[in-house]
Amino acid sequence: GAGVSQSPSNKVTEKGKDVELRCDPISGHTALYWYRQRLGQGLEFLIYFQGNSAPDKSGLPSDRFSAERTGESVSTLTIQRTQQEDSAVYLCASSASTGEGYTFGSGTRLTVV
Amino acid sequence: GQNIDQPTEMTATEGAIVQINCTYQTSGFNGLFWYQQHAGEAPTFLSYNVLDGLEEKGRFSSFLSRSKGYSYLLLKELQMKDSASYLCAVGSRASNYQLIWGAGTKLIIKP
Repeated sequence: GAGVSQSPSNKVTEKGKDVELRCDPISGHTALYWYRQRLGQGLEFLIYFQGNSAPDKSGLPSDRFSAERTGESVSTLTIQRTQQEDSAVYLCASSASTGEGYTFGSGTRLTVV
Repeated sequence: GQNIDQPTEMTATEGAIVQINCTYQTSGFNGLFWYQQHAGEAPTFLSYNVLDGLEEKGRFSSFLSRSKGYSYLLLKELQMKDSASYLCAVGSRASNYQLIWGAGTKLIIKP
């Protein structure tokens, strides 16, 4: 697509429920990144996919968080048993290759109540 | 280790000039990026520097000194719409070429 597409744009969920966030990167972009941004804070790296290489999961805050990407297409970020501390904007970005500038999606605003 | 520092917040007057500094420590430097992020929106690309010197793009310019681990973003003829956070990000071999992000500088423009 023309840009990075994320869905849903907003998600309100009850504490303890699982949520799935979707990211559709720019066509042809081999690198895909997930970040978390709490209100008024900087970008917190979560996970990085590069082509068919093993993902860099070093930023995932707990085992409740997982992500998948099929080839060089759509990625899903899953948060199990959500907690109120998970409330944040989850941003996805893609780049043509590692080391090039990122294009961000509009993000998913997650609110856990 | 890797580290990026930028001021937390700055205030400037409409029509004036402001310089936002960014200092970094990394090995295997592979370029520095500046992004703009308006409140509630995603970051958008502003500039990229990989060689020393000044890159000018309209009202915005970005400068890099690799020997000093230093960059600045210069905004001229400030407009109210320039109120945003400005993020400095560095790519390096040490981070497997992923961008390492500064915490951002919140720029407040006053009339």
